[in-house]
Amino acid sequence: EVQLLESGGGLVQPGGSLRLSCAASGFTFINQAMSWVRQAPGKGLEWVSTVSGSLDTTHYADSVTGRFTISRDNSKNTLYLQMSSLRAGDTALYYCATIFGGYTSYWGQGTLVTVSS
Amino acid sequence: EIVLTQSPATLSLSPGERATLSCRASQSVSSYLAWYQQKPGQAPRLLIYDASKRATGVPARFSGSGSGTDFTLTISSLEPEDFAVYYCQQRSNWPIFTFGPGTKVDIK
Repeated sequence: EVQLLESGGGLVQPGGSLRLSCAASGFTFINQAMSWVRQAPGKGLEWVSTVSGSLDTTHYADSVTGRFTISRDNSKNTLYLQMSSLRAGDTALYYCATIFGGYTSYWGQGTLVTVSS
Repeated sequence: EIVLTQSPATLSLSPGERATLSCRASQSVSSYLAWYQQKPGQAPRLLIYDASKRATGVPARFSGSGSGTDFTLTISSLEPEDFAVYYCQQRSNWPIFTFGPGTKVDIK
C-alpha cells in the first residue's frame, strides 16, 4: 500500500524559512517522480514543484521559483521542500504526491504551513 | 500557460441523478487530462486519467470523455458519497501541470 506522510509544517513569520518532508513507502521510491501541490484554505489546488525519479531534474511553478527548492533522498525514501522568503500567500496545506504516467496518483494527507506575523 | 476552466462552479443534484461536469482548456491538451475528487478534510483522489481511463478501484458510474480542449466527467447516478469537489488537471506540458478551479457537487 502506498503511504505518504508529510511533516514539517507550522507557523512561520513572513520572510522566514521552513523545510517540509514527505516519508514514502509501499512503492519503489527511486523510480517515481514526486510533486508538491498546495491548497490555500478554502481554495483550489496549485501545483508547486516536481522532481524526477533518479535523475533529479526539478521544475517549479512561477510563484515559487527562486524561493522553494525540491529535493529527495532516495536512500531514505523521503521527499523535501525547502521554502524560504515565505509570504502570506504561501499559507496552505502542502501535499506530496506520487507521479504515475504524469498524473498525481497518490497523495499524502498534507502538512499545514501558516505564514503570519 | 495552459488555463483550465470548469463549469458549473456548483452543481446541486439529488442522489440518483446524473451529474455532468465540464472542463475546458485554453489550448489543446490532447487527451492528457485527469479528474480528481476531493471530500472535506481529505486529500484529492484520482478518478480518471488520460481523459477516459478509470483509476484503480473507481466505480463504473464515473466516466470521462473528450479530447483537445473540451472534456466531461459524468457520474451516471449519484451516490451519497459522491457529493464532493471535482478538479480537472492537465499534464500536456509535463512536468508542469495545472488544475482547474473545481466544481462542487452538493445535495439539492
